[in-house]
Amino acid sequence: DAKTTQPPSMDCAEGRAANLPCNHSTISGNEYVYWYRQIHSQGPQYIIHGLKNNETNEMASLIITEDRKSSTLILPHATLRDTAVYYCIVRTPQGAQKLVFGQGTRLTINP
Amino acid sequence: GAVVSQHPSRVICKSGTSVKIECRSLDFQATTMFWYRQFPKQSLMLMATSNEGSKATYEQGVEKDKFLINHASLTLSTLTVTSAHPEDSSFYICSAGQGYVTDTQYFGPGTRLTVL
Repeated sequence: DAKTTQPPSMDCAEGRAANLPCNHSTISGNEYVYWYRQIHSQGPQYIIHGLKNNETNEMASLIITEDRKSSTLILPHATLRDTAVYYCIVRTPQGAQKLVFGQGTRLTINP
Repeated sequence: GAVVSQHPSRVICKSGTSVKIECRSLDFQATTMFWYRQFPKQSLMLMATSNEGSKATYEQGVEKDKFLINHASLTLSTLTVTSAHPEDSSFYICSAGQGYVTDTQYFGPGTRLTVL
């Protein structure tokens, strides 16, 4: 699976949009981009995933560049409960594949 | 999304004892489950892949005789930490997926193990 690079930490004001970047310049054509987050002392929570088209669900939006070498997770109206470590993971979706976690981005939402 | 549970949520045991942690997929069947370990201020590290009806596959450096994994049904996998020592104190997390083509892994809430 391709390696990802994320900034170690970010801050965002409550109510504003939080934009979390992820670089995955070695991504292969059949690899998806997955985003998870982990709130302190809890298991990771699935957020969203995509292949090449932009995706949106009730939690977030995922914007993938046309060359697929980077992506951005957008939390449109961040709340204090969005404070967590966010992980960007690239993997093939075939069968039950393991997830390899990097260090992620520690997002702090400030009041 | 799919729900994965773990039991217990936290356990404290004496050094030398064994501890069993259960991971259940509540509303779907999981032929494969994964076990992770997380030390304070570190990321999740995969320990092993648990396959229903067959032996688990362990990551390099993980002792299979110390961390016993049993996946007896499509909804239950167990991790037993045998002869636990203080260095085994950690946050243990399982995940499971439905095995579809675009499989999404869902995680349990984790089990905090403290070995005295």
